[in-house]
Amino acid sequence: DTGVTQSPTHLIKTRGQQVTLRCSPISGHKSVSWYQQVLGQGPQFIFQYYEKEERGRGNFPDRFSARQFPNYSSELNVNALLLGDSALYLCASSLRQGAVQPQHFGDGTRLSIL
Amino acid sequence: GENVEQHPSTLSVQEGDSAVIKCTYSDSASNYFPWYKQELGKRPQLIIDIRSNVGEKKDQRIAVTLNKTAKHFSLHITETQPEDSAVYFCAASPYFQGAQKLVFGQGTRLTINP
Repeated sequence: DTGVTQSPTHLIKTRGQQVTLRCSPISGHKSVSWYQQVLGQGPQFIFQYYEKEERGRGNFPDRFSARQFPNYSSELNVNALLLGDSALYLCASSLRQGAVQPQHFGDGTRLSIL
Repeated sequence: GENVEQHPSTLSVQEGDSAVIKCTYSDSASNYFPWYKQELGKRPQLIIDIRSNVGEKKDQRIAVTLNKTAKHFSLHITETQPEDSAVYFCAASPYFQGAQKLVFGQGTRLTINP
């Protein structure tokens, strides 16, 4: 079974640019969550999507947006990039939305802002 | 909102000895507590999880205990091996506005000395 796949693996952008990160969940998983992991810290919740609808949002500005497609893959968009957006962006999938669903992570996209 | 504190931030043990990592959480509505292992440059890997209706769970050399009253949960690794060296994250999952978000601790860097 293929795990959660994310692309690209690395990305370098400059301040003010926009970026789109992609995630494909584990086959059969319908829920996708996005997390930001700054170096030396634990991941922070950004969004959860289930059945193409946003089901939860963390404490991130409106520059962050996401969507989920009919095949359950997802994109995370970040506009007007700031130096502080440099981080590892992790996608996690779970079977369905629910209070006790294990979340499995992809390898992440490492975003560097110059 | 939920807050998770994790201790210690670094832990060094001799190969074969046991390691214990402790976490506390603030939101009594949290009902799912996973532990992730993250090796350098790799994805967080789910190693064990526990639901709030269970006090203890074991999987070979790994065990997790949960004290709901005190809002504490701990990871126990016995007979440690060099491959156990990694950063370990605890997380708590409050059911938040219909979404299941994971709130992570700051991580514990575990080093197993041969």
